[in-house]
Order: sequence, then C-alpha cells, then structure tokens
Amino acid sequence: AQKVTQAQTEISVVEKEDVTLDCVYETRDTTYYLFWYKQPPSGELVFLIRRNSFDEQNEISGRYSWNFQKSTSSFNFTITASQVVDSAVYFCALSLVSGSRLTFGEGTQLTVNP
Amino acid sequence: NAGVTQTPKFRVLKTGQSMTLLCAQDMNHEYMYWYRQDPGMGLRLIHYSVGEGTTAKGEVPDGYNVSRLKKQNFLLGLESAAPSQTSVYFCASSKGRGRELTEAFFGQGTRLTVV
Repeated sequence: AQKVTQAQTEISVVEKEDVTLDCVYETRDTTYYLFWYKQPPSGELVFLIRRNSFDEQNEISGRYSWNFQKSTSSFNFTITASQVVDSAVYFCALSLVSGSRLTFGEGTQLTVNP
Repeated sequence: NAGVTQTPKFRVLKTGQSMTLLCAQDMNHEYMYWYRQDPGMGLRLIHYSVGEGTTAKGEVPDGYNVSRLKKQNFLLGLESAAPSQTSVYFCASSKGRGRELTEAFFGQGTRLTVV
C-alpha cells in the first residue's frame, strides 16, 4: 500500500520569508506520479504540479519550486518570498502509474502573516 | 466550462436518514472518485470508478454506495447516515491511465453534517 506523510501540520511565517513544505512517500512500485494541491480558505482544491517518478529534474514555476529526490522518497515544495495569498492547506499526493487513484498526505496548513 | 460539479453544496441530515450526492463532469473523463476530507486526515478515497458501469471500493467504503450509470455522472449514496459521516465530500475526475494519467480535477465539495 502507498503512504504519503506530511509531518508539518501547521507552519506560520511572515510575508516575504521563504518556506518549505515537506512530503515523504512510500510505495513499492517503481513508477508513480507525485502531486501537490493547494486548498485556499474558500475550500476548492487547486492543482499545482505533477511529477513522474522517472524524471527527477526539479521544477520552478515563478515563486514555486519543487525538489524531487528518489533516494530519500521526498517531494518537497518551496515557496519563495511568501505572500498572504499563499495562506492555504497544501496537500501532497501519490498515484501509481498502474492505477489512477490518489493517496493524499494529511496536509500542511500554511499561514503567511503580513 | 463547468468541469466537475457537485450537488448539493451543503446538507444537514438526521441520523438514520438517507441521501445521494451527485457528481457531474463535462470533460469526458473515464475515471471518477469520491473522497472525504476530515481535519488532520487529508482526503481519503471512499469509492472510485474506472469507467461507465464500473465501481470499486477505496480506503473507507463502509456506509456508502455508488453508481456510475452514465459516464459523466458518479453518485454517492448514504443509506443510513451516522454522525461519523459528518465530513466534506469531494468528487474528482481524471483522464487516461498509466503514463497518460492527468491530474485529478475536483468539484467544489459538499459539506455534510449528520446530527
């Protein structure tokens, strides 16, 4: 069975600080996808990124960057120069290539204070 | 472009009552899912479907039933609601399989309270 762990339940930072959200996963499969979703206070789930297990290249999108390390089974998410609008719950999730359903972590509540 | 639409958005039930949550997607996706979200537990899969006429159990299926009579619709039923089913329910859909799998698209959620 798959498992995703987000050990940080809550993080609070001051605007403009950098913040990293940790994600550790477990699976016996060698091919899988990893995802990050954002859930703002309004409640919807917003897709941020999908990574393939066979591509360990890190990715940057504006203030967001993701560090995928197969050796440590981690897929960490960094927000640079955080803003108040980044306040949300962030979920890491895993899906096997052989299947389709997502296994979610518990989520990290990020609060960015002005 | 509606995406994934859930009906209703809010509902209060009395213990023992039944209800059906409706999910509709207009993206022609094969795969559909029902998740529940509880504080500190992330989203947990209740049931899912890999195509019209098919359903399968997820991580927490007890107390729920589902049906997928049409490709675009996925219904979640509570036969006899219990307070433990108080939660936020999300429907999602995705396209493809294997290396063609896309991200899942989620509905707005249904907040259900069982008293």
